[in-house]
Amino acid sequence: RKEVEQDPGPFNVPEGATVAFNCTYSNSASQSFFWYRQDCRKEPKLLMSVYSSGNEDGRFTAQLNRASQYISLLIRDSKLSDSATYLCVVDGGSNYKLTFGKGTLLTVNP
Amino acid sequence: DAGVIQSPRHEVTEMGQEVTLRCKPISGHDYLFWYRQTMMRGLELLIYFNNNVPIDDSGMPEDRFSAKMPNASFSTLKIQPSEPRDSAVYFCASSLRGRGEKLFFGSGTQLSVL
Repeated sequence: RKEVEQDPGPFNVPEGATVAFNCTYSNSASQSFFWYRQDCRKEPKLLMSVYSSGNEDGRFTAQLNRASQYISLLIRDSKLSDSATYLCVVDGGSNYKLTFGKGTLLTVNP
Repeated sequence: DAGVIQSPRHEVTEMGQEVTLRCKPISGHDYLFWYRQTMMRGLELLIYFNNNVPIDDSGMPEDRFSAKMPNASFSTLKIQPSEPRDSAVYFCASSLRGRGEKLFFGSGTQLSVL
């Protein structure tokens, strides 16, 4: 099993749609989880951290399922500006080695 | 703050040449990371430093790659000799402390080895 695995997509959705991304990780000792966003030809930027109880930031909701080693990101009411690659990020458990998934490409269409 | 600063933005070189990539982290950040991104492999961690000390270099692909952090405000990633398969975008990132902290990335260096 890969350390961090994501559906590469691409996801093509209309404006206003709800879209969900999933990510699985292999290290059961991992403690920190994140979603990063990367625009084309740009650097990755933190979208949100993922907490055990789940957390929400505006239109974005992140959830963590430790038993299944699974992270999700839900985007509601998609905007054109949400078009980007979404990267799932997990730490190494006993160390601070952050491993990135290969990303899921989202395109929101007018 | 100016953020993480990388140079050069683009580097084109010929196989066999030495390449040096540079990074200035955000002032006060204790951790510095070097990542490499390709379409095939995504973002791969090459090495990271804590307080200028290399902590994990297990991602460095081979002996041709080396990284240094002589002080808190400067790091280099060197490839000698370079090969076409080293072509990628190299990102430097820094964070304030350890676990759970946000990574701030530089704009990256697009390296092309011909």
